[in-house]
Amino acid sequence: DTGVSQDPRHKITKRGQNVTFRCDPISEHNRLYWYRQTLGQGPEFLTYFQNEAQLEKSRLLSDRFSAERPKGSFSTLEIQRTEQGDSAMYLCASSLVGDGEQYFGPGTRLTVT
Amino acid sequence: KNEVEQSPQNLTAQEGEFITINCSYSVGISALHWLQQHPGGGIVSLFMLSSGKKKHGRLIATINIQEKHSSLHITASHPRDSAVYICAAQYNNNDMRFGAGTRLTVKP
Repeated sequence: DTGVSQDPRHKITKRGQNVTFRCDPISEHNRLYWYRQTLGQGPEFLTYFQNEAQLEKSRLLSDRFSAERPKGSFSTLEIQRTEQGDSAMYLCASSLVGDGEQYFGPGTRLTVT
Repeated sequence: KNEVEQSPQNLTAQEGEFITINCSYSVGISALHWLQQHPGGGIVSLFMLSSGKKKHGRLIATINIQEKHSSLHITASHPRDSAVYICAAQYNNNDMRFGAGTRLTVKP
């Protein structure tokens, strides 16, 4: 399977715990995006990388959130001290520079209890 | 106010009906995307267009740049078309803004 993959697919955690999600983009794609989607809403942009550089961060990305793409391939999104409001689907997408079409992963559904 | 507005929010149709979903955006864009999301979360890109019209099978997408409006049409709808359809506006910096989605249910 050469699509975008995300791990884990589901995560249940207690409030206050830290969680980390991983995204593996399509191998030749140099752009990688993170989005958050809550129930009944469209995805909201969080951040994106071009290769290993984080080029843009949304105001939604509080200081409890951090994303990395250390080698320009896979990316991780960490949420520290989770809150119930962090419960959402976290989506990753990848694309080529200059090609606007983004390919989405299956998402990681986070539930904070 | 969301920069991208979709209507209707929910749509129920009988199999075979012609379906239209509308999308309006507020500022100039570099491209407009139509996406399909099935239960469980997976998102599939249907169309990316910056002008005119595109067709793929029973799906047609149109965009009017002057009116900042796009439509997604489904001809001869089928229960397997049941999904959430999301419109997304892409800006020059590759930033994307998504509509809230239209939940389509096609009944047999």
